Amino acid sequence: EAQVTQNPRYLITVTGKKLTVTCSQNMNHEYMSWYRQDPGLGLRQIYYSMNVEVTDKGDVPEGYKVSRKEKRNFPLILESPSPNQTSLYFCASSLREGGTEAFFGQGTRLTVV
Amino acid sequence: GENVEQHPSTLSVQEGDSAVIKCTYSDSASNYFPWYKQELGKRPQLIIDIRSNVGEKKDQRIAVTLNKTAKHFSLHITETQPEDSAVYFCAAYPYSNDYKLSFGAGTTVTVRA
Repeated sequence: EAQVTQNPRYLITVTGKKLTVTCSQNMNHEYMSWYRQDPGLGLRQIYYSMNVEVTDKGDVPEGYKVSRKEKRNFPLILESPSPNQTSLYFCASSLREGGTEAFFGQGTRLTVV
Repeated sequence: GENVEQHPSTLSVQEGDSAVIKCTYSDSASNYFPWYKQELGKRPQLIIDIRSNVGEKKDQRIAVTLNKTAKHFSLHITETQPEDSAVYFCAAYPYSNDYKLSFGAGTTVTVRA
C-alpha cells in the first residue's frame, strides 16, 4: 500500500530535550516536506527536500533541522524544543516538485512542556 | 513568496445546499492550485486541483474555478452532505525557484442535517 508513515503519532517532551520525528514514504517520490498545523494558521511549510541531499527552508524553519540521506526518509529534528513548537506536524511527499499531489502522513501531535 | 488568503474561516450550510470557499493568491506566476480536505483527526487529502491553463474543473459534486486575472480561485460543493463536514485548505504553487506550496488558513465547513 502506497503511504507516508510518521512516528511517533503522539509525543510529550520537555523543553530542551532533543527529539526526532521520522517520516518514510514507499512511493519513490522525489519531493518531501514538513508542515506544522496550528489553529487559524493553516499548514505552514517548515522544510522541504527536492531529492537526496537537497533540502531547503520553508516558511517557518527556525528551531528545526532536516536531513535527506535516503530517498524514502525525511526526518524532522528539534535540537532544543521549546513550548512554541507545540503543534501538529505533517510530513508529505510528492512525485516531484511543483504541481503534483501531496500525500500526507498521519500526523504527529507534539507537546513541549 | 506566495501569500494565500482563504475565506470564510467557518461555513455552516444546510444539508443539500451549496458551499463556496474563496481563495486569493499574490504571485501571478503561480500555476497549480490544489484543494485539500481534512476530516476531524485525519490527514489532509487532495480532493481536486486545477492548473493555470484551465478555468474550471468538475468532479461530481465539487468544482473549482480559477480567475487568473483577479488572482483568485474558488471551491464549490453542491448538494452538500454530512460527510462534507471537514476543514478545507486551498493552496497555490508558484512557478518560481522557491518550490514551496503555500496553503490558506483553512475553512471549517459544517453541514447541518
